[in-house]
Amino acid sequence: GEKVEQHESTLSVREGDSAVINCTYTDTASSYFPWYKQEAGKSLHFVIDIRSNVDRKQSQRLIVLLDKKAKRFSLHITATQPEDSAIYFCAASRNRIFFGDGTQLVVKP
Amino acid sequence: EAAVTQSPRNKVAVTGGKVTLSCNQTNNHNNMYWYRQDTGHGLRLIHYSYGAGSTEKGDIPDGYKASRPSQENFSLILELATPSQTSVYFCASGDGGGDSDYTFGSGTRLLVI
Repeated sequence: GEKVEQHESTLSVREGDSAVINCTYTDTASSYFPWYKQEAGKSLHFVIDIRSNVDRKQSQRLIVLLDKKAKRFSLHITATQPEDSAIYFCAASRNRIFFGDGTQLVVKP
Repeated sequence: EAAVTQSPRNKVAVTGGKVTLSCNQTNNHNNMYWYRQDTGHGLRLIHYSYGAGSTEKGDIPDGYKASRPSQENFSLILELATPSQTSVYFCASGDGGGDSDYTFGSGTRLLVI
């Protein structure tokens, strides 16, 4: 089955800087790539997604890039704020969603 | 507002006892999922369902059963709880088809002593 790898287990940035979380996947048939955010002690909630028919999507300060040839996708958070601190999960889906292990993002004031 | 509700929020169980975790969704989603989350392992899929009466094994089904008596409800059952099943359990619902996101419940923290 699909395997999703998140390359950064932890990431620390200064407030106002950009953060980039990188993921790879194995199944070339995967066509949907959602991202989830989990704040400390809370559940996961959806933040942004991208489908395989595009290679870039932006929602406010979040940008997702998809490179299908390399089977790689990434989440860029611009102008980071302390409230961006959380665990971020990338995921890839063909028939069901497969999750990466998560990246702990810390935004330092 | 559509939602996924889990109960209980916290549970302490004794080794060898039976534990039932409940999940209710008002999203009218066909698919429902049970995950456990442990430090260092991310989210691991235990069981899932395509609709009422259907249950499927996920990636780590051993020691767990599931029940989907209706579109709205999906339960996870630990017949003989063990300390290794101490974890945080999340239920989720989704439209299915592989191209839509999941809605997660707030989680159940289970401690097996």
